[in-house]
Amino acid sequence: QSVLTQPPSVSGPPGQRVTISCTGSSSNFGAGYDVNWYQQHPGTAPKLLIYGDSFRPSGVPDRFSGSRSGTSASLAITGLQAEDEADYYCQSYDNSLSGSVFGGGTKLTVL
Amino acid sequence: QLRLQESGPRLVKPSETLSLTCTVSGGSIGSSEYYWDWIRQPPGKGLEWIGNIFYTGTTYYNPSLKSRVSISVDTSKNQFSLKLSSVTAADTAVYYCATDATSGNWLDPWGQGTLVTVSS
Repeated sequence: QSVLTQPPSVSGPPGQRVTISCTGSSSNFGAGYDVNWYQQHPGTAPKLLIYGDSFRPSGVPDRFSGSRSGTSASLAITGLQAEDEADYYCQSYDNSLSGSVFGGGTKLTVL
Repeated sequence: QLRLQESGPRLVKPSETLSLTCTVSGGSIGSSEYYWDWIRQPPGKGLEWIGNIFYTGTTYYNPSLKSRVSISVDTSKNQFSLKLSSVTAADTAVYYCATDATSGNWLDPWGQGTLVTVSS
């Protein structure tokens, strides 16, 4: 069982907007630690998508956005494209474990 | 631009020790800007943080693996290494090394990953 909780799957047709939630606790988000998001296509390494709650690395489209409030965080993807079909993971620091923690991952299907 | 590459045996026998090395290029492992992390992913499952090391040798480990894990750094070779002892089939996974920004704990970049299978 993961420290951060994500829905196992989400889906939407091309062009739509979807959100992926990530629920934490007082020892990670609630303690003020940022959320980071990763995108992973099959057979490849995870790729940093959002860091510091809401910042996009160079090259990540502005269709991807992130936010955090209290003990929850979310990733929003607008204008869904077929290439967005992938697994998405949230990650943060947890002060009770003194290390990184991940969500269980969410599989995004573009219908 | 930093690049990371994992290397090591792809097949390990049960009860033995898994050993992997991550070679860093495009930058110095002695930088104070980064920790150096190991993460693993069992086939078809999610990501699990194993631990990390700073260039000074300071380490942090996942409590669930702490009794079996050791991470070390070799600044002269720009490498860091993972040892996981007493492995079982449950340790079969793709093992990734990654750069961990001290300013914010995000992981970027990652190595391509290497599948290690535990089997006799």
